[in-house]
Amino acid sequence: GQNIDQPTEMTATEGAIVQINCTYQTSGFNGLFWYQQHAGEAPTFLSYNVLDGLEEKGRFSSFLSRSKGYSYLLLKELQMKDSASYLCAVRDDYKLSFGAGTTVTVRA
Amino acid sequence: GAGVSQSPSNKVTEKGKDVELRCDPISGHTALYWYRQRLGQGLEFLIYFQGNSAPDKSGLPSDRFSAERTGESVSTLTIQRTQQEDSAVYLCASSPGGSGNTIYFGEGSWLTVV
Repeated sequence: GQNIDQPTEMTATEGAIVQINCTYQTSGFNGLFWYQQHAGEAPTFLSYNVLDGLEEKGRFSSFLSRSKGYSYLLLKELQMKDSASYLCAVRDDYKLSFGAGTTVTVRA
Repeated sequence: GAGVSQSPSNKVTEKGKDVELRCDPISGHTALYWYRQRLGQGLEFLIYFQGNSAPDKSGLPSDRFSAERTGESVSTLTIQRTQQEDSAVYLCASSPGGSGNTIYFGEGSWLTVV
């Protein structure tokens, strides 16, 4: 089975940095994904890590440590439009199992 | 098409009625998934298709739920004798297949059972 944990809520100020942690215990591992989901919309793909280390993509970076079962998503230079839910998901052989999501609120 | 397409986008149905939800995956994607998301909760896996076969149906919550896929393309999720607890958004996703490929989601079908 899969057990994926992430904080429920985080609040940060526009222009700041926020780090969303995700820990997992899974029966199989073929990569860790981060998705962004705005209220009432579908999840959209942000990042994918399968090897240890940091993947950077613009204002968003994602880190993975397979030995620790740990990942984080780093959001820099926060903008109001970044207010959303961020979903951590682990892939086994073929499907994604999701954490409950972290709601990030960006304040002016 | 350019993305995963789902219909209807919204459906209100009376308790006890049957509903069908449709998914058109991205052209050429062999893997197709259905997930359910209740209000304020995470995504629950329902079923996975590889081609027209469903090697993993482990997430279907009861025998009222079924799904099929034809032509390695369109999929239909059917919920019989709907109950209020079935109210949720049903998300379809597709992928080219292979363990390293990204999974892309559709906009979802929002189901309300009254």
